[in-house]
Amino acid sequence: AQRVTQPEKLLSVFKGAPVELKCNYSYSGSPELFWYVQYSRQRLQLLLRHISRESIKGFTADLNKGETSFHLKKPFAQEEDSAMYYCALSPPSVSGGYNKLIFGAGTRLAVHP
Amino acid sequence: DGGITQSPKYLFRKEGQNVTLSCEQNLNHDAMYWYRQDPGQGLRLIYYSQIVNDFQKGDIAEGYSVSREKKESFPLTVTSAQKNPTAFYLCASSSRGLNTEAFFGQGTRLTVV
Repeated sequence: AQRVTQPEKLLSVFKGAPVELKCNYSYSGSPELFWYVQYSRQRLQLLLRHISRESIKGFTADLNKGETSFHLKKPFAQEEDSAMYYCALSPPSVSGGYNKLIFGAGTRLAVHP
Repeated sequence: DGGITQSPKYLFRKEGQNVTLSCEQNLNHDAMYWYRQDPGQGLRLIYYSQIVNDFQKGDIAEGYSVSREKKESFPLTVTSAQKNPTAFYLCASSSRGLNTEAFFGQGTRLTVV
């Protein structure tokens, strides 16, 4: 079964502290993985995708195929990072069509001053 | 202004009535999606469409119906058969290929009274 698990509903840290939002997935093949973010009163938007190996707003995510994890990390959290974060999996389509996204339940990150 | 637009933002419906949620995009995207967002459950896929006049059921399609008569439009009808329709509904679109970013609307909050 295709599934994304985010074990923490809420992660509360102080400004300047390191942050790690956990994401584990179950999929038999090689999916594509993403992190989406929803700031207060804003649309859900892409934060980063694993294939790009990019750092966005100081966040990085490493795909660990052995542990089937894709944790999101930032060394020093900022107050503006407070938001809802969703990990998502996109399975390859056998028909060659477009990929649907399977989301985790989300983790709310609260960064306190 | 390019993007994906959902209307209305808030919708109230009497129990037993069908209601249609609008989703329009001017991004020239082929694929469109409907998700339901409930607290603690993340986003769950209702229906998706890869091309005009074609659509597939997602994980929770029961009690919902869609149409894709135009590339720009993907309306969702919540029927009286949906047992728990009160929720936040998100529409998204994406372009061809792998690892493409999904763009989301601002959502419609449906309340059954």
